[in-house]
Amino acid sequence: DAGVTQSPTHLIKTRGQQVTLRCSPKSGHDTVSWYQQALGQGPQFIFQYYEEEERQRGNFPDRFSGHQFPNYSSELNVNALLLGDSALYLCASSLGQRLAGENIQYFGAGTRLSVL
Amino acid sequence: TQLLEQSPQFLSIQEGENLTVYCNSSSVFSSLQWYRQEPGEGPVLLVTVVTGGEVKKLKRLTFQFGDARKDSSLHITAAQPGDTGLYLCAGVRASGSRLTFGEGTQLTVNP
Repeated sequence: DAGVTQSPTHLIKTRGQQVTLRCSPKSGHDTVSWYQQALGQGPQFIFQYYEEEERQRGNFPDRFSGHQFPNYSSELNVNALLLGDSALYLCASSLGQRLAGENIQYFGAGTRLSVL
Repeated sequence: TQLLEQSPQFLSIQEGENLTVYCNSSSVFSSLQWYRQEPGEGPVLLVTVVTGGEVKKLKRLTFQFGDARKDSSLHITAAQPGDTGLYLCAGVRASGSRLTFGEGTQLTVNP
């Protein structure tokens, strides 16, 4: 049973470019959340997708967008990259309809994005 | 604004020592989760606490949720080098909602 898989593992881009990161959720999961983790900090919530729609969004600009496909996989797109976008981008999957105590999110290993 | 404050940020101890990590907030959470993250990996869930005052034990790790569900602590007894890692607390406000993480505690246990 595959866990959460993310690709690519590492990526180097220059300022102004655009990037697409991909995530396949754990088998049976229908909800995907994306987080940004800067070096030495805890992850920050970007947004969450459920039933192919953005259900919740954190405090990130519109340059950050996403998509969820019918097979529950997801993409995170970042336009007009800034130096400050350099971070580890984590994808987490879970089951959408769960009580608070059962809201277990399983994380992938992340994509390390470096913006030069 | 950091909704969850973790302390200490860094902790370096000798094998066999005990330690406690704190996670505090002015907000109430429906549940609070503790994760451990190692270099090159995503966070791995250790425990979820839901009820105010709840105490959960996982081998040498003891987790407590505050009575008001605003704070939590993680206590490790007789730490081992394998406990080294970044410990993160994360609060959940409602069913299926986002995780709000603290900044993490980087623990190093020296042999």
